[in-house]
Amino acid sequence: GENVEQHPSTLSVQEGDSAVIKCTYSDSASNYFPWYKQELGKGPQLIIDIRSNVGEKKDQRIAVTLNKTAKHFSLHITETQPEDSAVYFCAASINYKLSFGAGTTVTVRA
Amino acid sequence: GAGVSQTPSNKVTEKGKYVELRCDPISGHTALYWYRQSLGQGPEFLIYFQGTGAADDSGLPNDRFFAVRPEGSVSTLKIQRTERGDSAVYLCASSPGTGARDTQYFGPGTRLTVL
Repeated sequence: GENVEQHPSTLSVQEGDSAVIKCTYSDSASNYFPWYKQELGKGPQLIIDIRSNVGEKKDQRIAVTLNKTAKHFSLHITETQPEDSAVYFCAASINYKLSFGAGTTVTVRA
Repeated sequence: GAGVSQTPSNKVTEKGKYVELRCDPISGHTALYWYRQSLGQGPEFLIYFQGTGAADDSGLPNDRFFAVRPEGSVSTLKIQRTERGDSAVYLCASSPGTGARDTQYFGPGTRLTVL
């Protein structure tokens, strides 16, 4: 099955700086790559996703890049704010089954 | 509109007991998923429903776990003879279409603790 690895496991950034989280996946058939943000005591919330026919997608301060040849994708958050502090998960999917990374705990220092 | 809801939010039970966890998907969503999230880990797929039928139950860990969705809306995850290793957050998600690359919207989860 699909194996997704995520790095780093923890990330501390100064408010206003950028945060980058990287993921690799094993199954070249994966074609959908969502990113979820999870706050304490809540379920994961989709923040951005990318499909295999594009290499980059941006939504305000959040961007995702995909390199299908290397089988890796990354999340970039610019101008970080305290409310960006949360656990972020990448996932890869073949059809409906999401395989998640282990998560990155992001802390934005004021 | 209303999102995915799950009840109860917390469930504490004793080893060997039976539990039921309920999921109310977003209205009109035909696909429903159950995931399990252990502490410090990402969610792990358990089962996927398309309508009333379980299209893929390959993630269920053993035959103590069972899920139903009799009318194609609400789903119940049932765990028999609970074990301490079943302690986790059980997440439900739904998506509007066939499930193929459709966005999955998650509920808040049920935290199950088996003593």
